[in-house]
Amino acid sequence: DQQVKQNSPSLSVQEGRISILNCDYTNSMFDYFLWYKKYPAEGPTFLISISSIKDKNEDGRFTVFLNKSAKHLSLHIVPSQPGDSAVYFCAASGAGGSARQLTFGSGTQLTVLP
Amino acid sequence: GAGVSQSPSNKVTEKGKDVELRCDPISGHTALYWYRQSLGQGLEFLIYFQGNSAPDKSGLPSDRFSAERTGGSVSTLTIQRTQQEDSAVYLCASSLLGEADTQYFGPGTRLTVL
Repeated sequence: DQQVKQNSPSLSVQEGRISILNCDYTNSMFDYFLWYKKYPAEGPTFLISISSIKDKNEDGRFTVFLNKSAKHLSLHIVPSQPGDSAVYFCAASGAGGSARQLTFGSGTQLTVLP
Repeated sequence: GAGVSQSPSNKVTEKGKDVELRCDPISGHTALYWYRQSLGQGLEFLIYFQGNSAPDKSGLPSDRFSAERTGGSVSTLTIQRTQQEDSAVYLCASSLLGEADTQYFGPGTRLTVL
């Protein structure tokens, strides 16, 4: 049972345009959401996060939106650059208990075309 | 060092052998996590250490897997009697205790079981 889903395995976008990566979750206990970027042969790199008390967080070209009622979050990258080409993972963690492990989606391969 | 380091970067072993994977977390980070990523899959949580508390082992796939963390710093993940399905990239992450779950990942160890 996948609690965090990224339904698009890949996305291609022209340089300069907006990239929108989507993520859905099923566990209403999740209260913190993160996006990671991963290049081949490297570990995931933290990109941006959002707490469940917010609906938007912005950092430069990256904005994460959270819709709690729909259990949906998205990452917007604008303008997209060729260096943004990577696999993007959505992750979530939940309140309660001692464990704060992240539950990851399966990732979306973003390709930004020059 | 500035980031999480892992060794070895690559490990090839024969089925049935034991392997040890090492993780050095970011200095001062009291929480440490192990994940693995099998081919074509998302990241799967394995085990979590937080300070002096008992580790959360709920993600370990079998009793062939174990991990320890000595002195609250370095961690070793041990896989006994390796099987071909253990082939994956094993990733370690660390975070500050109390900081809302921004985990920083190492580059991973690629394990191949022949």
